[in-house]
Amino acid sequence: EAGVAQSPRYKIIEKRQSVAFWCNPISGHATLYWYQQILGQGPKLLIQFQNNGVVDDSQLPKDRFSAERLKGVDSTLKIQPAKLEDSAVYLCASSLNRGGNNEQFFGPGTRLTVL
Amino acid sequence: AQKVTQAQTEISVVEKEDVTLDCVYETRDTTYYLFWYKQPPSGELVFLIRRNSFDEQNEISGRYSWNFQKSTSSFNFTITASQVVDSAVYFCALFSGGYNKLIFGAGTRLAVHP
Repeated sequence: EAGVAQSPRYKIIEKRQSVAFWCNPISGHATLYWYQQILGQGPKLLIQFQNNGVVDDSQLPKDRFSAERLKGVDSTLKIQPAKLEDSAVYLCASSLNRGGNNEQFFGPGTRLTVL
Repeated sequence: AQKVTQAQTEISVVEKEDVTLDCVYETRDTTYYLFWYKQPPSGELVFLIRRNSFDEQNEISGRYSWNFQKSTSSFNFTITASQVVDSAVYFCALFSGGYNKLIFGAGTRLAVHP
């Protein structure tokens, strides 16, 4: 079974530029998550989708971050414009469904450096 | 408040030593789940174990064991006879129904030296 795919693996941009990350979850997984992991910290949930609907975006900085999950499969996370403090690893995860009894499977992440 | 504390930032051991990674959690919910994930240098988080709040049985899987104690709100992870391949960052995480999201601790970096 293929795991969660993410691209690109690395991205370097200058502040105020825009960037987009792509995630393809495990086939059949209804729930998709985007996490931000700042160096030395644990991952922090940015947004959670159930199929193609948002169920939690309370920690997403909506003035600069946006995400979508068209057709309930792939997802894109965008930052526009980027700030220095956005430098982090962005992890995508998926699970069969919502709830703590559903294991989340993580992708390899995209390491973003904002100069 | 939902919170996970991993007080050990870094641990360094020599191969074959036993090592315990501590995890203390806070939640007001009676139904919750606790997790351990491993993050090797490649960056991908690897699921190790899930425990629900109603199951306090300790678990052993090969060289790995977990001690869940509700009385002290702890869910500690022990690696017996550590190996170099165990070198990674280990995260403890909490999912509670009231908060409905996975909360991670800051992680413990384990270095196992030959």
